[in-house]
Amino acid sequence: EVQLVESGGGLVQPGGSLRVSCAASGFTFSSYWMSWVRQAPGKGLEWVANIKEDGSEKNYVDTVKGRFTISRDNAKNSLYLQMNSLRAEDTAVYYCARERPKGAVYLDHWGQGTLVTVSS
Amino acid sequence: DIQMTQSPSTLSASVGDRVTITCRASQSISSWLAWYQHKPGKAPNLLISDASSLESGVPSRFSGSGSGTEFTLTISSLQPDDFATYYCQHYGTFGQGTKVEIK
Repeated sequence: EVQLVESGGGLVQPGGSLRVSCAASGFTFSSYWMSWVRQAPGKGLEWVANIKEDGSEKNYVDTVKGRFTISRDNAKNSLYLQMNSLRAEDTAVYYCARERPKGAVYLDHWGQGTLVTVSS
Repeated sequence: DIQMTQSPSTLSASVGDRVTITCRASQSISSWLAWYQHKPGKAPNLLISDASSLESGVPSRFSGSGSGTEFTLTISSLQPDDFATYYCQHYGTFGQGTKVEIK
């Protein structure tokens, strides 16, 4: 069974940093692109970033470029999102998701999410 | 950048109703479109990919159609478990969502 479990969320001050993680199991992690998607309170889903199977290619939504870094450790079956220079508008539940191997960012498995709150 | 626009934003319906949600792309996206169901506190669930391919395990009352710039998600007979928010998605862009509420 595919499982994705996020961790590392919490309260951080504006301008601060936080790293959220996603532990994957039940599939060959190193064979899939992976994505981060977020949902701010009362808002819709927003795709944040994705990373190629071997980590050689990464893409970001414009609003986080230069502040967030996606990475992965295939030996540990883990996905990460390093978030720097955090703003109030980054407050959201952050989901990791597996991409269907078709290159169309179809997200066929999701974790339950981890809440990141940016507030003083 | 391609924009995805859903309508309506909210839809009130009763159990047994036929429900249709529309998603429009700002330019042609062929059939590169997915639909998700999202319930509060739960992980989103992929319902349909490639505009009309039903995912394994998804009830057959769900169907998708369209290509180019206009797409629809139809629920043929709304069930109690279907009250949720639905999103269309093209690559890194989601629609704003359609909340299906109990009438």
